[in-house]
Amino acid sequence: GAVVSQHPSWVICKSGTSVKIECRSLDFQATTMFWYRQFPKQSLMLMATSNEGSKATYEQGVEKDKFLINHASLTLSTLTVTSAHPEDSSFYICSKKNNRHAEAFFGQGTRLTVV
Amino acid sequence: AQSVTQPDIHITVSEGASLELRCNYSYGATPYLFWYVQSPGQGLQLLLKYFSGDTLVQGIKGFEAEFKRSQSSFNLRKPSVHWSDAAEYFCAVGSGGYNKLIFGAGTRLAVHP
Repeated sequence: GAVVSQHPSWVICKSGTSVKIECRSLDFQATTMFWYRQFPKQSLMLMATSNEGSKATYEQGVEKDKFLINHASLTLSTLTVTSAHPEDSSFYICSKKNNRHAEAFFGQGTRLTVV
Repeated sequence: AQSVTQPDIHITVSEGASLELRCNYSYGATPYLFWYVQSPGQGLQLLLKYFSGDTLVQGIKGFEAEFKRSQSSFNLRKPSVHWSDAAEYFCAVGSGGYNKLIFGAGTRLAVHP
């Protein structure tokens, strides 16, 4: 089946630093990938849609300058949390979509803790 | 606006008992509907999906779901629950040209031995 690899699975960083999360499609090319955020015991909220070779599309209320998305190749999208603060601590999950069937395949997620 | 409602935040069942998790959606057109399962600290695994055709869909791990347009529902069922089914279950609807997924709040399932 389709495989999405997300790295790292967990990271702890100091407040004010930046953290990069990678999302790789290991089988088919993914021109579109998605980044979600999940607070404890809550549902997933779409942050942005990552488009290969163009700018990401951010959902309302998501700061594009804080959550930088780069989709430089057909198999890799990165999310960089810039100047991280404790309130950015969350579970971040990426996904890709099968263009034929609209179903999404998810990475294993990244637990970010900002101290 | 599109939305997904999962009325039950927590459900506890005994192992071997039957299970039904409720999901209601609000969507203007024929929806693409999904059920995902998430184990603690993990990503999401697709259990099953409905696009069109037979309204009763079979998924992995013995799960099934039935699409009822008249009730705007897509409830997930399993005839006999196993302890390993304890997890968080999310219902989702495909939106925005089916590029985006809108998730329900999730239902946390606990299984008693």
